Amino acid sequence: AQKITQTQPGMFVQEKEAVTLDCTYDTSDPSYGLFWYKQPSSGEMIFLIYQGSYDQQNATEGRYSLNFQKARKSANLVISASQLGDSAMYFCAMREQQGETSGSRLTFGEGTQLTVNP
Amino acid sequence: GAVVSQHPSWVICKSGTSVKIECRSLDFQATTMFWYRQFPKQSLMLMATSNEGSKATYEQGVEKDKFLINHASLTLSTLTVTSAHPEDSSFYICSAGTPRMQYFGPGTRLTVT
Repeated sequence: AQKITQTQPGMFVQEKEAVTLDCTYDTSDPSYGLFWYKQPSSGEMIFLIYQGSYDQQNATEGRYSLNFQKARKSANLVISASQLGDSAMYFCAMREQQGETSGSRLTFGEGTQLTVNP
Repeated sequence: GAVVSQHPSWVICKSGTSVKIECRSLDFQATTMFWYRQFPKQSLMLMATSNEGSKATYEQGVEKDKFLINHASLTLSTLTVTSAHPEDSSFYICSAGTPRMQYFGPGTRLTVT
């Protein structure tokens, strides 16, 4: 069974500073995918970044980067130059190995509530 | 980019009635869609996998007779909460996509009075 662990229920960061949100995972599958989503108070799930288990480089998307340490089974999200609008719940999720033609059910961590202070 | 819509965005119903929630993929075909439930300040929990043209696959502990799922076309899946009770009040979210990208609908907030 897969498991995603986010050990930081809440994080605070000053505007314009960088922040790292932790995520560790547990799986015996050699092929898997890791996602980070942002959920503001409106409830919508906003995709931020994806890392495949076979991807050679750490994923980056604008101010978001994923610090992927495969041996440690960690996939931490780094947000650079935090903005007030970054205040939200952040979820780490893992895709089960179901092949490239199947659907992709996700298992989510418990989430980290990020608050950006002015 | 791909968009997944849900309707309604919020609904209030009386205990004992049924509520139908629609999930549509607007610009792509989805043979598989997923239904999640989220209680306040908690994570998303997968309820079921909706497969076009076949029966849905339910997660352990989810009552299939209470949460009816129909995936009648490649762009539409529906979740019907039958005989709703106050404990069914929650945020329901659907998703669809590819192995490298999962798009989520905006969610439906259900309140059962």
